[in-house]
Order: sequence, then C-alpha cells, then structure tokens
Amino acid sequence: GQQLNQSPQSMFIQEGEDVSMNCTSSSIFNTWLWYKQDPGEGPVLLIALYKAGELTSNGRLTAQFGITRKDSFLNISASIPSDVGIYFCAGLNYGGSQGNLIFGKGTKLSVKP
Amino acid sequence: SAVISQKPSRDICQRGTSLTIQCQVDSQVTMMFWYRQQPGQSLTLIATANQGSEATYESGFVIDKFPISRPNLTFSTLTVSNMSPEDSSIYLCSVGRDGNSGNTIYFGEGSWLTVV
Repeated sequence: GQQLNQSPQSMFIQEGEDVSMNCTSSSIFNTWLWYKQDPGEGPVLLIALYKAGELTSNGRLTAQFGITRKDSFLNISASIPSDVGIYFCAGLNYGGSQGNLIFGKGTKLSVKP
Repeated sequence: SAVISQKPSRDICQRGTSLTIQCQVDSQVTMMFWYRQQPGQSLTLIATANQGSEATYESGFVIDKFPISRPNLTFSTLTVSNMSPEDSSIYLCSVGRDGNSGNTIYFGEGSWLTVV
C-alpha cells in the first residue's frame, strides 16, 4: 500500500531558527495536508495543498505540493517555543475511502536544551 | 473548519469491558471517519461511518471489535469491544469537508483510552 516517508523524525529548535521538514511518497496524491498535534490532543490542520506546485502560507508556516505530486515540505520560520509538538504530513486521494489519509510517522519538534 | 466534540475525552477501562465513544459535529457532514493512534505512533483509519448503513472497515479492523453507528449526518459512535491492553490508544473522530479547492479532513480532540 501507499506509504509516506517523513523526515526528520525529530529535531531540536532554538527560538528564532527556521525549521524544515518533508514527506515523500511512492505514489501520487491529490491532496497533501499538514497537521500539528500537541500531547493528548487531536491533530490540528495547519495547511492544505490541492495542486501540484502549489505554495501556501499560513503565518510563519509555508508548505508546498511537489510538482510530481509525490512530495511536500513544510517550513516554519522564526520558530517560537509554542511550535513544539509533533507535525504530521498526510496524503489523500479522492474516490474509494475518501477519508483514508495516509499519514507520515511525524516530526517531533523539541526545544533545544 | 468543523467543531467536532468527542466524549469521553479520557477513560481508564477494565480488561474485557466495552466502551462507546461519541462524536458530535456542529453541522451536517457527508464524510465521517474513525481513526486510531497507538502510543507514539501515527494515525490509522479504522472505518468510514456511513449514515444509515453499515460502516466500511479497513483491513485489520472488524465490526465485531469496533461496531460503529451513524444515525444521522452529525453524530456517530465507535464502540471498542472486549478491550485488552493492546487497545490502549487515542481514538479520533474525523470529518471531511468539501472546500472550494478540494477535500479537507478535520479531527476531534480524541478519546484517550487506557485499558488495565
């Protein structure tokens, strides 16, 4: 079945640093979604991407839908402490089970000690 | 977006018992789903909750273990039956919305079950 490779698995951030993470897939998706999850809570949608090549921003967050439709990246600029959490990419195809998001394994952001 | 309320938010359950999780959405939605997130893992789709008919289960999930109801377009329940410690997970209700550009999936806050 479809799988997503998300990297890095974890990273430490220092306030003010820019952060980048990405996902690649063995097959194409029609939609890429990026979520953030805080401990004990459900994933919160950050950015949705619907077209190959699309570049979308949401405040300090920027994400792009790769031209091949097999990859996406998320950048966070000027990180702040509340950015810590787990970020998930997810790919979605229409038809069939339309809610079957394929999730990456997550990128855990922690504050640099 | 969508406001998705789940109950209970957390529970500690005894082995062998069953628990029903409720999901209420603030407006009618066509697509409604149940996901599971095991500790430290990513999310996995359990089933699509179909209004007025039996749910559609993903591979590895069966109706006897995870019966689902969806009596209308704003409400669904998931029951975790005959629980064992391996069922300790966050169970998440989600809904699909059609936007101008495409479909988007939103999640509730989850129901964190611990089986002892």
